[in-house]
Amino acid sequence: EAAVTQSPRSKVAVTGGKVTLSCHQTNNHDYMYWYRQDTGHGLRLIHYSYVADSTEKGDIPDGYKASRPSQENFSLILELASLSQTAVYFCASSGTGVTGQLYFGEGSKLTVL
Amino acid sequence: GQQVQQSPSSLVLQEGENAELQCNFSSTATQLQWFYQSPGGSLVSLLSNPSGTKHTGRLTSTTVTKERRSSLHISSSQTTDSGTYLCAIDRNSAGNKLTFGIGTRVLVRP
Repeated sequence: EAAVTQSPRSKVAVTGGKVTLSCHQTNNHDYMYWYRQDTGHGLRLIHYSYVADSTEKGDIPDGYKASRPSQENFSLILELASLSQTAVYFCASSGTGVTGQLYFGEGSKLTVL
Repeated sequence: GQQVQQSPSSLVLQEGENAELQCNFSSTATQLQWFYQSPGGSLVSLLSNPSGTKHTGRLTSTTVTKERRSSLHISSSQTTDSGTYLCAIDRNSAGNKLTFGIGTRVLVRP
């Protein structure tokens, strides 16, 4: 069974603080993604990566950095957290190709106060 | 504007009833996928159907690419089908960079 695990599952951060969300996959997948979900919006792509040591910007990258130190691990970094970054964040992985099935983690609920 | 629009926004069914969910998209899609999000928030891929008709279990998806629309039919609904159904498209073929709709929330009553 494909597995994507995220940590932490829930976090409260202060405005201006640094937040790191971590993702680990055991699927041996090349692609990894970070999405955020807000009420009234569909999931939106923040950053993605198709190979270790390389990341690409998604549709809403501003205010976020990403790091892919290995095939298995993909982190999302908020250097200066802001109220508008309160959301649920999902990590996902997929194999290569158009029809690669997407496997999601359980989500990380971030509240910035 | 919204690239993926889903309708209806919500739906209430009696167990055993059928339902049809709609997805319309404003740009050419090389890929179209349906996902299920449980009430607890976890996301699961249901099927990928960029064109034609596909079946899995009690689910049938029909995508008419040139008309930029897809439907998901749920037959003989069960209470465990309750949740949100999301449609997503990929506008190019280089990986799953999906654009999601807001979803259709389905509640199946016993």
